[in-house]
Amino acid sequence: NAGVTQTPKFQVLKTGQSMTLQCAQDMNHEYMSWYRQDPGMGLRLIHYSVGAGITDQGEVPNGYNVSRSTTEDFPLRLLSAAPSQTSVYFCASSYTGTPRTEAFFGQGTRLTVV
Amino acid sequence: QQQVKQSPQSLIVQKGGISIINCAYENTAFDYFPWYQQFPGKGPALLIAIRPDVSEKKEGRFTISFNKSAKQFSLHIMDSQPGDSATYFCAAPTFQGAQKLVFGQGTRLTINP
Repeated sequence: NAGVTQTPKFQVLKTGQSMTLQCAQDMNHEYMSWYRQDPGMGLRLIHYSVGAGITDQGEVPNGYNVSRSTTEDFPLRLLSAAPSQTSVYFCASSYTGTPRTEAFFGQGTRLTVV
Repeated sequence: QQQVKQSPQSLIVQKGGISIINCAYENTAFDYFPWYQQFPGKGPALLIAIRPDVSEKKEGRFTISFNKSAKQFSLHIMDSQPGDSATYFCAAPTFQGAQKLVFGQGTRLTINP
């Protein structure tokens, strides 16, 4: 089983460029989310989705867009990359929308904005 | 907004010792507190979780202790092994919304052989 797959694993962007981080899961999970991980800051929620066609903002949504057209895919778009968006990004999915279910994480995308 | 404060930020323990990581939360609407373990270059993975209708949950060498009145919970790793070296995150559900876990800042644990 692939679980949660993120691509690319590494990316370097120039300030002002845009890009899309891909996330796909094959577990038929309704809930998907994006986090960023920064030293000393833990994992902070960017956006999440409780099902196809439904998305909402998390703790740090500015500068990011998401959409959920299918159950499997939840891409994260950086509209105009800034050095402050240098981080490791994780996509996660879980079976239901309640906090009591296990979240499965992808292996992460390490993004550097120069 | 839920805040989760985790300590210490880093911890070095000798092989065979006890590793203790603490978390404090402000409020929660759901009683479910997971711990995630992350190895370098990998995503976090669920290690153990507690629903505080009990004050303690044990799985092998890993134990969660929960103090609801103090709004604190901790992870104890008994007989710590070099393979336990990883970053550990506690988490607590937010007061509103679905599956909005708020994570602590993380603890980098190193077990010296």
